[in-house]
Amino acid sequence: NAGVTQTPKFRVLKTGQSMTLLCAQDMNHEYMYWYRQDPGMGLRLIHYSVGEGTTAKGEVPDGYNVSRLKKQNFLLGLESAAPSQTSVYFCASSYGRGTEAFFGQGTRLTVV
Amino acid sequence: AQKITQTQPGMFVQEKEAVTLDCTYDTSDQSYGLFWYKQPSSGEMIFLIYQGSYDEQNATEGRYSLNFQKARKSANLVISASQLGDSAMYFCAMREGREYGGSQGNLIFGKGTKLSVKP
Repeated sequence: NAGVTQTPKFRVLKTGQSMTLLCAQDMNHEYMYWYRQDPGMGLRLIHYSVGEGTTAKGEVPDGYNVSRLKKQNFLLGLESAAPSQTSVYFCASSYGRGTEAFFGQGTRLTVV
Repeated sequence: AQKITQTQPGMFVQEKEAVTLDCTYDTSDQSYGLFWYKQPSSGEMIFLIYQGSYDEQNATEGRYSLNFQKARKSANLVISASQLGDSAMYFCAMREGREYGGSQGNLIFGKGTKLSVKP
């Protein structure tokens, strides 16, 4: 079982560059999430989606955009990367509101 | 306002003893879910236990139990008989949402507690 797969696992960007992180789940889950994890800050919700074609802002949405064109994929875009976006990014998905979220393995992004 | 508060940045426990990790939450919804996750040093997020706001019984999963006190808005994780492999970061999380309809489904995490189990 693949579960939740994030691509890429590691990336180094220069300030101002753009990139897209891909999250794919094969569990037919409705809910998908993007988080960033920084030391001492826990996981902070960037954006989330409660179904195909829908997205919503989380706690720290600035500088990021997302799309959920297909149910199984949730894309996180950085249009103009900044050093403050250096972080570990996690994608997660869940079947419903009362069920646990399954996480991807994380993407370590460094912006220099 | 912080929705999930974990007041213990770090804790130590002796192997085979029980330990309680604190979590308080803030919500005006009547319907919500509370989760605990474990993150070992390898980085993956492991689901441990879930408690629904309407569940009358405290959730239990093996050595994990959730001490749910709704009036106090607390959802503490209790680990019995600690093992060396329990050393990890532990995160409390909450999902708010109306019972029917609506688009709420955000899952918010606390800052975590680092648990160290001593041999």
